[in-house]
Formats: sequence, C-alpha cells, structure tokens
Amino acid sequence: AQSVAQPEDQVNVAEGNPLTVKCTYSVSGNPYLFWYVQYPNRGLQFLLKYITGDNLVKGSYGFEAEFNKSQTSFHLKKPSALVSDSALYFCAVRANDYKLSFGAGTTVTVRA
Amino acid sequence: NAGVTQTPKFQVLKTGQSMTLQCAQDMNHNSMYWYRQDPGMGLRLIYYSASEGTTDKGEVPNGYNVSRLNKREFSLRLESAAPSQTSVYFCASSFRDRVISGTDTQYFGPGTRLTVL
Repeated sequence: AQSVAQPEDQVNVAEGNPLTVKCTYSVSGNPYLFWYVQYPNRGLQFLLKYITGDNLVKGSYGFEAEFNKSQTSFHLKKPSALVSDSALYFCAVRANDYKLSFGAGTTVTVRA
Repeated sequence: NAGVTQTPKFQVLKTGQSMTLQCAQDMNHNSMYWYRQDPGMGLRLIYYSASEGTTDKGEVPNGYNVSRLNKREFSLRLESAAPSQTSVYFCASSFRDRVISGTDTQYFGPGTRLTVL
C-alpha cells in the first residue's frame, strides 16, 4: 500500500518570504514523488517530480522539492513567495503501478 | 495542442439519471485515467486505461463504467446517478514506458463539476 500525508491544511505566508509545503509518504519499494498545483476552478498542473538521483528537484515557477529518504519526506519549497502562488497544492506518490496516491492537499495563501 | 479536454464543464442530474463524461487528449499518450475530487480527500482513482483496448478498476469504481473508445478518448458513464457521486471529475493522461513503469507524469484536464440532486 502507498499513501501520502500533508500535515498542514493551510499555510499562510507574506509575499517575499520563504514558502514550505510539507509532505511525507509511505510506499513499498522505490518511491516516485510528484507535486501538483490547482488554481481555483482549474485542473491540476504538474510542478515537479522525483524519480531518482539528486535529492533536490527543481520545477516550474521557481519551486523546488527536497527528497529525504530517511525521513520519508518530499517537502515543496520556494525561496520567495508571490501572491500568485496562492493555490491548492497536492503531493502524490507512486510505486510501480498505475495508481497515483494523492494527499488531501494544502491551501497556500500568500498575503501582499 | 489542447492537451486534455473534458466535456461538459458543469452538469446537474437528478437521482437515477444517467450521463457520460467525455475526455480526449491530443498528446499521443497511451494511458488515461479518471479521478474524482472531494473536499479534504485529494483525488481518488476511479478507473484507468493502460492502453487502447484495456480498462481496469481503481480504488472507487462502484457506480461507474468506462470506455476507451480509441487512443485519444476515454469516457466515464454514470448509469444511475446518486447524490454520493456529487463531485468534481478529472480526466488525466500520460505516456507510460513499459520498462520504467511508474515514472510517467499525468496531465490533467480542467474538470467536470457534477451535482446529483
């Protein structure tokens, strides 16, 4: 079985401050980890993924994520948040099958 | 290149009515998926199609049927809608490598917001 936990329902930050969205996972075998963002009334947009190699993954819109195998975490980060980063963020994990297991999502609000 | 498209965008049904949600992709992907999104629960897989001509159940298939019409199109049918099927439905597609499975990125459509009264 595979699962993802996003421990924070909401994250609030001021524009220009660092943004971190937390994710921990559980999976048998090698984990493939993904981050998606959803803007209001829109579909999910792919941000980045970890397959293998460098633990720091860079993605779209200035986001990056750090894979930590010992802590089974894959936290999403952005050094300087923008108001336009306000959205719903999903972490997802997959083993080697078709099922992509999503977390419940974290709502990010960036205030001006 | 439109990506993944879904129709309709919104739908209201009465309990017991049937309807089909349409999905098409123009990225030449081999795999397609249907998810539902409910508040606080993330996305849950209903059905998927690994390749043209094959379909398999996901984690919440009850009350739904699917058809992989061709490589581009994957439809989801509700035969007798129930209020518990009120949700936002997303279609997704990916190119799945048969050798290095699991690493493919899924791309999502804009969603269909369904209300069952």
